[in-house]
Amino acid sequence: GEDVEQSLFLSVREGDSSVINCTYTDSSSTYLYWYKQEPGAGLQLLTYIFSNMDMKQDQRLTVLLNKKDKHLSLRIADTQTGDSAIYFCAVKRGGYNKLIFGAGTRLAVHP
Amino acid sequence: DADVTQTPRNRITKTGKRIMLECSQTKGHDRMYWYRQDPGLGLRLIYYSFDVKDINKGEISDGYSVSRQAQAKFSLSLESAIPNQTALYFCATSDLRGSGRTDEQFFGPGTRLTVL
Repeated sequence: GEDVEQSLFLSVREGDSSVINCTYTDSSSTYLYWYKQEPGAGLQLLTYIFSNMDMKQDQRLTVLLNKKDKHLSLRIADTQTGDSAIYFCAVKRGGYNKLIFGAGTRLAVHP
Repeated sequence: DADVTQTPRNRITKTGKRIMLECSQTKGHDRMYWYRQDPGLGLRLIYYSFDVKDINKGEISDGYSVSRQAQAKFSLSLESAIPNQTALYFCATSDLRGSGRTDEQFFGPGTRLTVL
């Protein structure tokens, strides 16, 4: 089955860029998502990328997809304290209607 | 505002008790999901339903059951709760056609369940 892996923790200084990485195993994945979970809240979709794209940019967020290496990354420019949260990578396999989530990366932003 | 709501938000119960968690949505979505979240494991799918007459098991359905009472309501039951079912439970909804096929999932705020 599909396996999605993320590092569990990332610490950055306020104003720096954050890069959160994700690897997956199924090359037939069609949509790949980044969700954000703030303390005490559910998950909210940050952005997504379709598998035929290499890059997607949305304001401070840049998503890079390397299909050959099955690697997805989320870059947050000018990281702020409000970006502190858990970030989940999720993938949707072609022909299936379920999402497979990674374990989540906890981003801590310090002054 | 259109929303996904979950009740209760917190629940403490004892081993062997039957527990029901409820989810309601005003988004008009046809698809609904139940997940559990455990530290270091991310979200794992328990059950999902693509319409009122459709119920499917997820990856960890043992010990759980669900009921889709209406398009807007999807409840999760623990028939006989055990301590390793202590977790954060999330309901989610999606609308494949309305999302342009991205099938974005919208999550409720979660229910924290503790089984003693």
